[in-house]
Amino acid sequence: GAGVSQSPRYKVAKRGQDVALRCDPISGHVSLFWYQQALGQGPEFLTYFQNEAQLDKSGLPSDRFFAERPEGSVSTLKIQRTQQEDSAVYLCASSSILTGGTGANVLTFGAGSRLTVL
Amino acid sequence: SQQGEEDPQALSIQEGENATMNCSYKTSINNLQWYRQNSGRGLVHLILIRSNEREKHSGRLRVTLDTSKKSSSLLITASRAADTASYFCATDERTGGFKTIFGAGTRLFVKA
Repeated sequence: GAGVSQSPRYKVAKRGQDVALRCDPISGHVSLFWYQQALGQGPEFLTYFQNEAQLDKSGLPSDRFFAERPEGSVSTLKIQRTQQEDSAVYLCASSSILTGGTGANVLTFGAGSRLTVL
Repeated sequence: SQQGEEDPQALSIQEGENATMNCSYKTSINNLQWYRQNSGRGLVHLILIRSNEREKHSGRLRVTLDTSKKSSSLLITASRAADTASYFCATDERTGGFKTIFGAGTRLFVKA
């Protein structure tokens, strides 16, 4: 597609529910990133993929968070047993950069999925 | 964790004035980028400066980088009401992996 597409744009969940957030990156972009952004804060790194390989998941806050990109294109961020502190905007970004390459990692972001946990 | 820290946290100016935002970071970097975020939207890449560059221009944007002080500044000249947004610096962290780390941002408000 022309840009990074995220769905849903808004999600309200009751505490304890599982949620799944989808990201459709720019076609051909090998790298895909997930960030969490709390209100008034900068994006906090969660995890990133190069094609289908998850190369870094050091930012995932707990084992309730799980991300996958099985075919190296669309990615899903799953949050199990949601808690109120999970309320945030979840941003997905993609880039054409390859790990170890000489280029800079210029990210194209989606509009985000705003999660509210009641 | 966040690599960069922007200063000031918020800035309010009149249309036509210049806006300067600063960013400090902690580790060695290969490049530094600035992004802009309008309310309720995703981030948009503005400009990138490599570690071997000291200054870069793009339209009304001017970015400087001082690797000895681990700091960068973004100058927006002749600001417009449409420049109202949050601005973030971001650095590439290469610690056995590859990820871009963002600062907390500067919220710029340009009054018409």
